[in-house]
Amino acid sequence: GDSVTQMEGPVTLSEEAFLTINCTYTATGYPSLFWYVQYPGEGLQLLLKATKADDKGSNKGFEATYRKETTSFHLEKGSVQVSDSAVYFCALKETSYDKVIFGPGTSLSVIP
Amino acid sequence: EAGVAQSPRYKIIEKRQSVAFWCNPISGHATLYWYQQILGQGPKLLIQFQNNGVVDDSQLPKDRFSAERLKGVDSTLKIQPAKLEDSAVYLCASSLTGTGGYEQYFGPGTRLTVT
Repeated sequence: GDSVTQMEGPVTLSEEAFLTINCTYTATGYPSLFWYVQYPGEGLQLLLKATKADDKGSNKGFEATYRKETTSFHLEKGSVQVSDSAVYFCALKETSYDKVIFGPGTSLSVIP
Repeated sequence: EAGVAQSPRYKIIEKRQSVAFWCNPISGHATLYWYQQILGQGPKLLIQFQNNGVVDDSQLPKDRFSAERLKGVDSTLKIQPAKLEDSAVYLCASSLTGTGGYEQYFGPGTRLTVT
């Protein structure tokens, strides 16, 4: 079945460091891909998305490109801030039944 | 635009008791999802509705969990009887339906503690 794999956390970075969180997927068809973020004490919210191959999603300085050839959707940010400390979830949405599958999440801590 | 509403926000029960959670999705969202999120893990889909029909309930422990979505709007998720391993946050989400890659909107969740 379809699945999402993310790099293991927790990840700890200093402020202004470069961030990459790897995400790969297995799916039949052409799913949509998402990154959701969960800040401490808050609910899940959409960070960015891409709906077809080579699309780049971006928001709040974060970017991810839908790479069909490598089945990847890695999340990147050039300069992280303390306020980016959160848990990041990669997810795919199947085209057939709108089923959404989440990865296990990657916890990010940014220290001043 | 009002978001996804859930209640209660917190619930503490003893094992073998029953509990029910309520969700009101965003108006116009035909698809509704219930997830279980155990601490340190990603959300696990329990059941997915499209309007008032079940699309996927393959991971719902049907011997103790049940869910319904009457009239294709509000939904309730029930656990009876609860076990210690049911302690988790129960998330409700909704989305538009179709091939547009529509994102999910999540409610604040209900944190369940079973003692």
